Amino acid sequence: GQQLNQSPQSMFIQEGEDVSMNCTSSSIFNTWLWYKQDPGEGPVLLIALYKAGELTSNGRLTAQFGITRKDSFLNISASIPSDVGIYFCAGSTGTASKLTFGTGTRLQVTL
Amino acid sequence: DAGVTQSPTHLIKTRGQHVTLRCSPISGHKSVSWYQQVLGQGPQFIFQYYEKEERGRGNFPDRFSARQFPNYSSELNVNALLLGDSALYLCASSRDRDRARPQHFGDGTRLSIL
Repeated sequence: GQQLNQSPQSMFIQEGEDVSMNCTSSSIFNTWLWYKQDPGEGPVLLIALYKAGELTSNGRLTAQFGITRKDSFLNISASIPSDVGIYFCAGSTGTASKLTFGTGTRLQVTL
Repeated sequence: DAGVTQSPTHLIKTRGQHVTLRCSPISGHKSVSWYQQVLGQGPQFIFQYYEKEERGRGNFPDRFSARQFPNYSSELNVNALLLGDSALYLCASSRDRDRARPQHFGDGTRLSIL
């Protein structure tokens, strides 16, 4: 099935550093979501975006809905060890029914 | 309030068998969706049910079926299991079909096929 392209695929960063990751699609979406998944658990919703150009923050996390509606970006400021996990973007073209997920970005934080 | 609950948490089956996975949505949520997550990949959409009717279906064979009950809980059934069906099966619920009410996921059922 289709998956959105996320980059980077994985990253090692030091505690306190800022992190940037992005997600691109060949199709237009009208909703972008960012989830974090820890081992053995389901994805947890971090940020939801509903309008092209929208910039939304949730604590140290900031995400943007790309103007073209084909991409989205997630930034994490001042990373901490509990930020470790896999981050997934997901897009929806219509209702909340069907989400198309990205390939994931694995984040590892060193002290 | 309790989140999305799924049972069982782990399951081991052999090829050709049948399996039923269960999901209870967050209280007040009427929409349930099922996703398959193969190791190392993002979740893939299988089904969405809203008000007990199928509202969307992903690119999965007819061996996969689901239903939603009057209390909005749901079952995912997979017949004639194949090795490739080994995956984490996730259930997600949302209050309705409005895109402004995003889906919340359970912790999944880990299905292993021997």
